[in-house]
Amino acid sequence: NFIMTQPHSVSESPEKTVTISCTRSSGSIASNYVQWYQQRPGSAPTTVIYEDKQRPSGVPDRFSGSIDSSSNSASLTISGLKTEDEADYYCQSYGRSGWVFGGGTRLTVL
Amino acid sequence: QVQLQQWGAGLLKASETLSLSCAVYGGSFSGYSWSWIRQPPGKGLEWIGEINDSETTTYDPSLKGRVTMSRDTSTNLFSLKLTSVTAADTAVYYCAITYFWGQGTVVTVSS
Repeated sequence: NFIMTQPHSVSESPEKTVTISCTRSSGSIASNYVQWYQQRPGSAPTTVIYEDKQRPSGVPDRFSGSIDSSSNSASLTISGLKTEDEADYYCQSYGRSGWVFGGGTRLTVL
Repeated sequence: QVQLQQWGAGLLKASETLSLSCAVYGGSFSGYSWSWIRQPPGKGLEWIGEINDSETTTYDPSLKGRVTMSRDTSTNLFSLKLTSVTAADTAVYYCAITYFWGQGTVVTVSS
């Protein structure tokens, strides 16, 4: 199976834009959909992006997803950062043996 | 409004069997796979496995042999069993379907 690598942490100021990357170690990033999950402290994960770039109902359009075949990576971009966006973010895709999660990125909004 | 409601025993002794259930309210999810994920304390998310609409199961290889999933589409209910638990199975367990997640169940295994 492949590995999905995320930065351990990122930080940015309110109202700014931040991008979290998720790099697939082998195989094409485009061969399987990527999902992104937000997990606030003490809470269950919620889906903010599915199928690379789709937003579930209720997720603000400040959240966007994309994939880049040249870097074999997926990205989650959050614009107009709010303090409530402070959370752990996980990317996830599908391997031969099932779901593959990235290690998670702690987003601090300071 | 779709809701996933989980329940099951939260405190187990080593060698016992973990048993969790998850009910889906507010929607019909035939045609989709139903999944279980867990999160050890202070760690990231780990996929346990899934059961699809044909009741075909796929499990994480590291848990194969100990895990069983089942589902009842008529009642929108699915379940997880994990046998011979150890302290390493201590985690918050989540059910998920499409992009909906359950609230999580804390499972602690004591020796």
